[in-house]
Amino acid sequence: DAGVIQSPRHEVTEMGQEVTLRCKPISGHNSLFWYRQTMMRGLELLIYFNNNVPIDDSGMPEDRFSAKMPNASFSTLKIQPSEPRDSAVYFCASSFAEDQPQHFGDGTRLSIL
Amino acid sequence: SQQGEEDPQALSIQEGENATMNCSYKTSINNLQWYRQNSGRGLVHLILIRSNEREKHSGRLRVTLDTSKKSSSLLITASRAADTASYFCATDKQTGANNLFFGTGTRLTVIP
Repeated sequence: DAGVIQSPRHEVTEMGQEVTLRCKPISGHNSLFWYRQTMMRGLELLIYFNNNVPIDDSGMPEDRFSAKMPNASFSTLKIQPSEPRDSAVYFCASSFAEDQPQHFGDGTRLSIL
Repeated sequence: SQQGEEDPQALSIQEGENATMNCSYKTSINNLQWYRQNSGRGLVHLILIRSNEREKHSGRLRVTLDTSKKSSSLLITASRAADTASYFCATDKQTGANNLFFGTGTRLTVIP
């Protein structure tokens, strides 16, 4: 039974470069969430989708961040251009419904030099 | 802010002892959830308690909820070294969007 799959697991790139993080939710789950985790700010919700539609993107820090969910089995989080302060662990999670327990991937550790 | 606050920030106990972690939140909720995070991994859901429930058990876990005090506690009985992890509470909003707000976490270390 595959869980939430994120790729890549690690990404190191130079500032100014475009970064694309990918997520495959659990099949049958209707809600998908993107989080960012840092020591200073903890776990922050960036955006979440319900039935592939963005519901709340108020946590997206800047216009440099964008997220898409073209179908029920795939989502991307893009940062363009990237900055050193974007360095964090980015998690994707999915749930059967908005108010159900969330299942997390193992995250992408992003380092912007 | 809706964010929960866990207390203590860090807890170190001997294997076999019980561990209690507390969570306080600020506004009315529909439910409260507890998650665990092992180092380098994603969060794993442990237990969900609804606002009309006062106590819930799952194996060695016992969660209580006091909505009048806006607080919850997670008790892990007979702790094991494998319980070493960070524990987070997460709350939703009673109205509006159903996204979760996570607390700052309690780092639990169980010494074998």
